[in-house]
Amino acid sequence: AQTVTQSQPEMSVQEAETVTLSCTYDTSENNYYLFWYKQPPSRQMILVIRQEAYKQQNATENRFSVNFQKAAKSFSLKISDSQLGDTAMYFCAFMKVGNQFYFGTGTSLTVIP
Amino acid sequence: EAQVTQNPRYLITVTGKKLTVTCSQNMNHEYMSWYRQDPGLGLRQIYYSMNVEVTDKGDVPEGYKVSRKEKRNFPLILESPSPNQTSLYFCASSRLTNEKLFFGSGTQLSVL
Repeated sequence: AQTVTQSQPEMSVQEAETVTLSCTYDTSENNYYLFWYKQPPSRQMILVIRQEAYKQQNATENRFSVNFQKAAKSFSLKISDSQLGDTAMYFCAFMKVGNQFYFGTGTSLTVIP
Repeated sequence: EAQVTQNPRYLITVTGKKLTVTCSQNMNHEYMSWYRQDPGLGLRQIYYSMNVEVTDKGDVPEGYKVSRKEKRNFPLILESPSPNQTSLYFCASSRLTNEKLFFGSGTQLSVL
């Protein structure tokens, strides 16, 4: 069975600083996809970034980047220049070919002004 | 506007009273899925569908039913709700399964 672990239930960061959220996963699959979703207090789920496992290059979206370590089964999210609007719950997700999604338990991030 | 519409947003019901949560998308997406979100457990997939008349169980399908008779609609049915199904439910869709999921606004269900 696939599992996704987010070991940091809560984190905080000063505005304009950098923070890294960790995610590890367990799978025997070789082909899969990884995602980070953000859920602000409005509870809307918003895609932050997506990584294809067969691509070695780490995905980047503006201030958001990932450190994908396939051998270690690690997929951390780095948020640079943190903004107040980044305050949200962040979920790491794994999707195997065959279409099932697995989400982590989430990390609640607070950006402190 | 491209969106996934879920209704209702809030629902309070009693044990055993059948209910349906509707989900509709206007993006002609092939893939649709349902999740429940519980504190400390994250999101867990209930059911998913690759196309019309094709549905598969996710991680926590017990107590739920779905149907995909039309491409745009994917209702979630609770035939006999129980208090342990009190949760926040999300419907989502995507063009392809490995692409971005578009989520609905969520349905907060309380079963008394």
